[in-house]
Amino acid sequence: GAVVSQHPSRVICKSGTSVKIECRSLDFQATTMFWYRQFPKQSLMLMATSNEGSKATYEQGVEKDKFLINHASLTLSTLTVTSAHPEDSSFYICSARVGAESETQYFGPGTRLLVL
Amino acid sequence: GQNIDQPTEMTATEGAIVQINCTYQTSGFNGLFWYQQHAGEAPTFLSYNVLDGLEEKGRFSSFLSRSKGYSYLLLKELQMKDSASYLCAAMDSNYQLIWGAGTKLIIKP
Repeated sequence: GAVVSQHPSRVICKSGTSVKIECRSLDFQATTMFWYRQFPKQSLMLMATSNEGSKATYEQGVEKDKFLINHASLTLSTLTVTSAHPEDSSFYICSARVGAESETQYFGPGTRLLVL
Repeated sequence: GQNIDQPTEMTATEGAIVQINCTYQTSGFNGLFWYQQHAGEAPTFLSYNVLDGLEEKGRFSSFLSRSKGYSYLLLKELQMKDSASYLCAAMDSNYQLIWGAGTKLIIKP
């Protein structure tokens, strides 16, 4: 149980285009989903927290107009990187937890984005 | 502020035992997690401690001392596949995870 999927696993795009990444909880309903970014040899950096049906809460320094998050259902959250630039190239990982006070986060396999 | 400290890198020999330490300072505390992350992959859950003491799970054990703000992950009978980064994360009073930078564990034959 507790499987989280992400799609796509890898994407290469041109600078200026937008990229959408999907995160799905396959066998449970995720009240809260998290979006992380990880640069090479660095730890996870939380970008935003999204609760189903409400606006995402962004961490300081993360542009909400650039990284659009939609958590339309209890099993799906999407992250759209708008007008991507080479510096947005990174490993994007989502995670999900069942309830607001649930301890464990279950991670998706990650999406590697390369912006040319 | 909130902070997690763990060593950047450790080296151990196949078949041996290694202990990875983690100290934390958070606003409130709702548990300490250890995750394993192989290069190019997402983290996978290893353990969760919220009470003081040692939790054993096969070759891996995790220890917590809340009064000292300290945890360690103990890996026994090391195998080459254990070469990975090990991430320590503490959950604060808002149930948010505060992540350490990770410890890269290198296993040598």
